[in-house]
Amino acid sequence: AQSVAQPEDQVNVAEGNPLTVKCTYSVSGNPYLFWYVQYPNRGLQFLLKYITGDNLVKGSYGFEAEFNKSQTSFHLKKPSALVSDSALYFCAVRDDGATNKLIFGTGTLLAVQP
Amino acid sequence: EAGVAQSPRYKIIEKRQSVAFWCNPISGHATLYWYQQILGQGPKLLIQFQNNGVVDDSQLPKDRFSAERLKGVDSTLKIQPAKLEDSAVYLCASSLGPGANTGELFFGEGSRLTVL
Repeated sequence: AQSVAQPEDQVNVAEGNPLTVKCTYSVSGNPYLFWYVQYPNRGLQFLLKYITGDNLVKGSYGFEAEFNKSQTSFHLKKPSALVSDSALYFCAVRDDGATNKLIFGTGTLLAVQP
Repeated sequence: EAGVAQSPRYKIIEKRQSVAFWCNPISGHATLYWYQQILGQGPKLLIQFQNNGVVDDSQLPKDRFSAERLKGVDSTLKIQPAKLEDSAVYLCASSLGPGANTGELFFGEGSRLTVL
């Protein structure tokens, strides 16, 4: 079965510093991987996805993610963090069954200090 | 373009009572999902519709949860009777249908349920 793991419950970073939010995956076949962000009292918003092609994927709000097949990882990155980036981040994988549903990780809370 | 609409945003009920949540997806989106997000956990799929047909309800507690999408547009999720462990945010999402769906889902703001 497809799954993703987010090993960190919380990541703290100072504004202006680079940030990384980690995600590892377990799939049979080719992975379809996603990152979503959830601001307080809001629904999830799509950030970026990896389907195929370049291992470095660029997304919304200056975020990017690096797909690493050998390490089965899909870490989310940003060169310079903003206080407004503080939110809950979810990694997800598309299920390989007929429904193509998304299976989400447990989430990582990103706290950016001014 | 209007997003996914959900109501109510907040609901507080006592255990054994019933509750219903409504969702209107983005116009033209054939696929509709209901996810349950318990505090501290990632969203878990409860049910997925393709137009007005159910394609996945394997994790829906059918003894108490029901959902319908009669005309293939808006949908209702009902819980009867509610249990304490049903306290969660219920997220509705929609996406384009097969052939155009690369997996990107569009979520509503969610309905937060508190069961006392």
